Amino acid sequence: DQQVKQNSPSLSVQEGRISILNCDYTNSMFDYFLWYKKYPAEGPTFLISISSIKDKNEDGRFTVFLNKSAKHLSLHIVPSQPGDSAVYFCAAASGGGADGLTFGKGTHLIIQP
Amino acid sequence: DSGVTQTPKHLITATGQRVTLRCSPRSGDLSVYWYQQSLDQGLQFLIQYYNGEERAKGNILERFSAQQFPDLHSELNLSSLELGDSALYFCASSAIWGITEAFFGQGTRLTVV
Repeated sequence: DQQVKQNSPSLSVQEGRISILNCDYTNSMFDYFLWYKKYPAEGPTFLISISSIKDKNEDGRFTVFLNKSAKHLSLHIVPSQPGDSAVYFCAAASGGGADGLTFGKGTHLIIQP
Repeated sequence: DSGVTQTPKHLITATGQRVTLRCSPRSGDLSVYWYQQSLDQGLQFLIQYYNGEERAKGNILERFSAQQFPDLHSELNLSSLELGDSALYFCASSAIWGITEAFFGQGTRLTVV
């Protein structure tokens, strides 16, 4: 039973445009959400997070939106740059993350020049 | 460079064998997490240690065990290996227990033949 789902295995976006990556979750106990970015042959790198008490968190070109009623979050990247091409993982945690993170399967973002 | 070091980077071994994966956390981090990423799967949380003590267990098989030593490095022991154990194994560390923005190592790619 997958508690965190990223339904798009891949996404292609033109350079300079907005990239929107989506994530759905089923466990209502999740109270903290994160996005990680992963390049080939490297470990995941933390990108941005959001607590369930907020509905938006912004960091430079990256914004995460949380819709608790829909159990949905999204990551917006504006403007998209070639270096953003990577696999993006959505992750969720409950109880402060003490039991580790539950990850989605990832979305491969490809930025086209 | 996340500051988390995993060795070896690659490991090829036969079914039935036992291997040990090593992780050195970032300087000052007390928590170590182990994750497994199989083909087409997201990262699966295996186990967490905090300052030498086991704090949380995820989907870790009984054939697998881990420990964290006084110098805070951690080892993941995988025994009676099966073909299905072939995966990327990631170690992550964070400063204290429950902090979710963990920093990941580059992973150890285990191939069981």
